[in-house]
Amino acid sequence: EIVMTQSPATLSVSPGERATLSCRASQSVSSNLAWYQQKPGQAPRLLIYGASTRATGVPARFSGSGSGTEFTLTISSLQSEDFAMYYCQQYNNWPPWTFGQGTKVEIK
Amino acid sequence: EVHLVESGGVVVQPGGSLRLSCAASGFIFDDFPMHWVRQAPGKGLEWVSLINYNGDDSYYADSVKGRFSISRDNSKNSLFLQMNSLRPEDTAFYYCAKGEVPAAMQAPLDHWGQGTLVTVSS
Repeated sequence: EIVMTQSPATLSVSPGERATLSCRASQSVSSNLAWYQQKPGQAPRLLIYGASTRATGVPARFSGSGSGTEFTLTISSLQSEDFAMYYCQQYNNWPPWTFGQGTKVEIK
Repeated sequence: EVHLVESGGVVVQPGGSLRLSCAASGFIFDDFPMHWVRQAPGKGLEWVSLINYNGDDSYYADSVKGRFSISRDNSKNSLFLQMNSLRPEDTAFYYCAKGEVPAAMQAPLDHWGQGTLVTVSS
């Protein structure tokens, strides 16, 4: 089973600042990596797939990069609606389709 | 617009059984694999099960293998999760989610329902 590890667990950022979230896979997942955003009381929402492709309707301030075992989600200028939990997920080697433990982006 | 609506979550005693349903609309249901993902209150996401587009192949997390069974009725655009021998650690919100690529397992989950809460407690 591929283990996904996200860091940091919590990221405190001021509105308008840049946020950088990391995700590491225990073995290569190629570019088969997705990022999801989840706000309290809501279902997860697909943000990024293929490591770097934005899903439909996702603002351009969200970008993904990386391949193999190291991945990054960058939010270029945090808006109030971006404070949420973010999860990475690999879909290269399955089952299972594994998620990271999440990074909480909170207001500084 | 894609819509996924889960139902069936209730309070059930340890050792009990439950069947969750997910009603799908807004897309060609029988083209896409479907997943169940769960989230214990205040915890992260855990993938539970997947069924392929025509229902003849399925996969399970080790934590539920042998106790849970996924199925689908493509004539009714519906997904199901039969949960047996329930344990307190199965307490969670259960989400159904759609695979992003027709007929492909190697794909992200592009649409999610709002979830249904299963509580296993005596």
